Amino acid sequence: SQQGEEDPQALSIQEGENATMNCSYKTSINNLQWYRQNSGRGLVHLILIRSNEREKHSGRLRVTLDTSKKSSSLLITASRAADTASYFCAPSNDYKLSFGAGTTVTVRA
Amino acid sequence: SQTIHQWPATLVQPVGSPLSLECTVEGTSNPNLYWYRQAAGRGLQLLFYSVGIGQISSEVPQNLSASRPQDRQFILSSKKLLLSDSGFYLCAWSVMGSHNEQFFGPGTRLTVL
Repeated sequence: SQQGEEDPQALSIQEGENATMNCSYKTSINNLQWYRQNSGRGLVHLILIRSNEREKHSGRLRVTLDTSKKSSSLLITASRAADTASYFCAPSNDYKLSFGAGTTVTVRA
Repeated sequence: SQTIHQWPATLVQPVGSPLSLECTVEGTSNPNLYWYRQAAGRGLQLLFYSVGIGQISSEVPQNLSASRPQDRQFILSSKKLLLSDSGFYLCAWSVMGSHNEQFFGPGTRLTVL
């Protein structure tokens, strides 16, 4: 299965610190996407990185992809209380996004 | 701009009762449509997707069915709910021909008692 598996399951940091979470998957992919979910809400697309890309930035987000290790990481720099949410990686091979259980990030003020 | 609606927001139903959840998309044509279920503290499981009217693909065998009677309308149904059908149901859409970025609705919280 290409399902993403996020690590750690939960992360608690102080406001202003960086948060890093990792994603591993098992099969080949066309791209890998990261989504955020605030409690009880729908998911919001954060960033997409294609299989031929190694790093991508969007605002305070930095995503890396290592297809040889079948892994990705999401870095949130200078975290804010509003970054408190669950973060999901979703490896994609065609129509299907395979979500893992996510990393729950809590940013303490 | 595009928007996606789901209703109801919450639903409590007895075991054995029927189910109908509706999802509509505005501001785009011929979208790909998706139904996901999220169990408490878990990731999303893709249930159904559709690339056009009347075209439904099921990902997992289950007690649910989906229909797409209109281009921007996607319905999730069950004839008889089971306790295990409880969860958070999310509808999503993506641009026709692309399964990249998906846009999610606000979700329906279903509790089967």
